[in-house]
Amino acid sequence: SQTIHQWPATLVQPVGSPLSLECTVEGTSNPNLYWYRQAAGRGLQLLFYSVGIGQISSEVPQNLSASRPQDRQFILSSKKLLLSDSGFYLCAWMTSGRRVDEQFFGPGTRLTVL
Amino acid sequence: ILNVEQSPQSLHVQEGDSTNFTCSFPSSNFYALHWYRWETAKSPEALFVMTLNGDEKKKGRISATLNTKEGYSYLYIKGSQPEDSATYLCAFYMNYGGSQGNLIFGKGTKLSVKP
Repeated sequence: SQTIHQWPATLVQPVGSPLSLECTVEGTSNPNLYWYRQAAGRGLQLLFYSVGIGQISSEVPQNLSASRPQDRQFILSSKKLLLSDSGFYLCAWMTSGRRVDEQFFGPGTRLTVL
Repeated sequence: ILNVEQSPQSLHVQEGDSTNFTCSFPSSNFYALHWYRWETAKSPEALFVMTLNGDEKKKGRISATLNTKEGYSYLYIKGSQPEDSATYLCAFYMNYGGSQGNLIFGKGTKLSVKP
């Protein structure tokens, strides 16, 4: 069966510090991978998605970047965090090319930037 | 800008009440509509994926309908229980003519069921 891992679970970082959130998927190959964020009082916003190794698409311009160095690894990064980067970050995967399939979400990372 | 609207934003009901919420989405270029349940301290989990106009899906006490021509979906919960308390998200997939596209999520309806 497939599982998705995210870490860390919670993170408190000062403004201007770097960020690295990691997501790994087990039990499937060549998945589509996604990073979402839910900021306070807002809906779930897609940040990045990837359909393959090294292929990253950004949905909104922002202070963050993503990388996919391996088939089942997706990393969210920032060089300098802003207060507005606070939120709940979710990684998700979906079978490639199957839009009628559900997305499977990881446990999430609660990021607080102070 | 594509918008997925959910109403109400929040709902408080008593145990045993039946309830329903609405998801509105663009009616053109429809491909699929997803419903997810997001319980506090857990990950969102899929309830239904719906693709056909007139689709009705059911899982236990929860059911959903889909009208792609007018761009809405209803989620119904019959005899709400405290364990139904969660945020219910709908998400819309637009038909990009074969290309990937992505899910566009609504802000969710937060349901609280009092025992």
